[in-house]
Amino acid sequence: SQQGEEDPQALSIQEGENATMNCSYKTSINNLQWYRQNSGRGLVHLILIRSNEREKHSGRLRVTLDTSKKSSSLLITASRAADTASYFCATAFYNQGGKLIFGQGTELSVKP
Amino acid sequence: DAGVTQSPTHLIKTRGQQVTLRCSPISGHKSVSWYQQVLGQGPQFIFQYYEKEERGRGNFPDRFSARQFPNYSSELNVNALLLGDSALYLCASSLDTGDWSSPLHFGNGTRLTVT
Repeated sequence: SQQGEEDPQALSIQEGENATMNCSYKTSINNLQWYRQNSGRGLVHLILIRSNEREKHSGRLRVTLDTSKKSSSLLITASRAADTASYFCATAFYNQGGKLIFGQGTELSVKP
Repeated sequence: DAGVTQSPTHLIKTRGQQVTLRCSPISGHKSVSWYQQVLGQGPQFIFQYYEKEERGRGNFPDRFSARQFPNYSSELNVNALLLGDSALYLCASSLDTGDWSSPLHFGNGTRLTVT
């Protein structure tokens, strides 16, 4: 079974709007990562937040982590049509090497 | 620098056959992982190899096996194919700094269709 659950499953917005995706997980983690996948292609790493961090920024991306609620959110500001893709959160655990557990993903559609 | 390369890009096999998928990691990356992604779902972990040793295995049957070569490239083998094995198989490499925080770099995958 997959660790992460993402919400919403699908999101449709207009260009220029902000997009927020949420991820919940079940057990203690070492870090949480967000990946993007364009249709039928490989995943691209976006950002990593460690368990002792609460917020992280990268360009138009802002990630928060609340370990007490076992949840994370990804905010994409001023979205563009090129941001249309599926977004996945993935959790990494101590003593499990590089194994990542991925959520089901949020499918984001940004309309021009 | 070249990214992670996978071959072939597409493959059609019949039930009961065997398949071998190949992956070349980014230069300098010693860790290779394999994931299966069924349409509409997130990737599921199959294997991780580091320095030619299996470091982790997901919840997949023994029909799935893998290995890593001295040049860090890797192969994933699946025997006795079932219809349910139809999926996108993704290979990912990482630097593996030992603190579980190395991002994965994915190839574009092999699309396997079992008929």
